[in-house]
Amino acid sequence: GAGVSQSPRYKVAKRGQDVALRCDPISGHVSLFWYQQALGQGPEFLTYFQNEAQLDKSGLPSDRFFAERPEGSVSTLKIQRTQQEDSAVYLCASSLEAGVSTDTQYFGPGTRLTVL
Amino acid sequence: AQRVTQPEKLLSVFKGAPVELKCNYSYSGSPELFWYVQYSRQRLQLLLRHISRESIKGFTADLNKGETSFHLKKPFAQEEDSAMYYCALYYGGATNKLIFGTGTLLAVQP
Repeated sequence: GAGVSQSPRYKVAKRGQDVALRCDPISGHVSLFWYQQALGQGPEFLTYFQNEAQLDKSGLPSDRFFAERPEGSVSTLKIQRTQQEDSAVYLCASSLEAGVSTDTQYFGPGTRLTVL
Repeated sequence: AQRVTQPEKLLSVFKGAPVELKCNYSYSGSPELFWYVQYSRQRLQLLLRHISRESIKGFTADLNKGETSFHLKKPFAQEEDSAMYYCALYYGGATNKLIFGTGTLLAVQP
């Protein structure tokens, strides 16, 4: 079946603009993650959803970042008043279960955000 | 603090040569570690996990708690192994997040 999809694949924003990044997880997957990957770095955790509940948002870098998953499926990561340091690839991942370390996280292709 | 360190940004080897991609971790509990791989123009995908003690595409990785290491090894590199490799530590608890290293680019020369 289809894997995790993300849209848009590329986004260019002017500094100060708001952006919204979408993630469609694999159908039926309980867990959904957002990661930020800066150039030359590994993915860094932003936030985690178990169904519609946001259980951890400790990785969100500032209050300009907001994520939601209102119906427990599609998720949106919103960045308000974008800054140049927000330029990165934003990765979404989903996994079938919750709290199981052996459960594979399946990654989407990412959204490359460039803030000018 | 929980941390994953991959000391090499780039590892270049010739086809048929042995490969060892280094990974060290810092974690206060019982660690669960993974290797993820990203081939050119493809998405990040799981290669192997230590708990399964599996060999995938000829790669193996052994958890050494004494040295806090989880190095990825392959006896004979192939050109198709060229990719970005990330070591990751499962954080667990309510978060289930992964903590990634900075990655190592493996380049296998013909």
